[in-house]
Amino acid sequence: GAVVSQHPSWVICKSGTSVKIECRSLDFQATTMFWYRQFPKQSLMLMATSNEGSKATYEQGVEKDKFLINHASLTLSTLTVTSAHPEDSSFYICSANRELNSPLHFGNGTRLTVT
Amino acid sequence: GQQLNQSPQSMFIQEGEDVSMNCTSSSIFNTWLWYKQDPGEGPVLLIALYKAGELTSNGRLTAQFGITRKDSFLNISASIPSDVGIYFCAGPPRGGGSNYKLTFGKGTLLTVNP
Repeated sequence: GAVVSQHPSWVICKSGTSVKIECRSLDFQATTMFWYRQFPKQSLMLMATSNEGSKATYEQGVEKDKFLINHASLTLSTLTVTSAHPEDSSFYICSANRELNSPLHFGNGTRLTVT
Repeated sequence: GQQLNQSPQSMFIQEGEDVSMNCTSSSIFNTWLWYKQDPGEGPVLLIALYKAGELTSNGRLTAQFGITRKDSFLNISASIPSDVGIYFCAGPPRGGGSNYKLTFGKGTLLTVNP
């Protein structure tokens, strides 16, 4: 069964508004979670590493003020897309691993469409 | 950064045929992972490889970790329609560490004709 749950599975918002996406680890604690973005017909690109109790680590080229990450507990990380624009429309996927250095399990993704 | 070259980009096969896809890198990987992604969903782990030369099976799927540690292949035998999807190879940067970040290949889109 699923080990990582992501919500919502899809969202449509107007340009300029903010959208929050939740990622939960099920039946295990995740001190680290990862947020990926995937454009149509492309591969997954790591956006940031979410660290429980400390600031997220962003990959080069990803704006930390636009993509706010909060890892408030050992089972929940949230990604907020602030002041969304149409170019932010994408498939956002979170992931976590049960144990240190074990393979990542992915959520089912969130399809964001900004109109 | 490390890059993974995955081929082929896409495959169109008939049900029952065997499939092979591979991944190469100019850098050494200590772990190779193979994921499958169905449309509109997140990737699902198929096989994880940890040692050079390792050959691992998961049902009709078989994957091998190349001896040079710079390549891996995935085979699917006797394909069925539900095998349709995008297959990604992936691996963590050298050293791994507590941040298990993954680099992904560009994916192989598999279409199976019934």
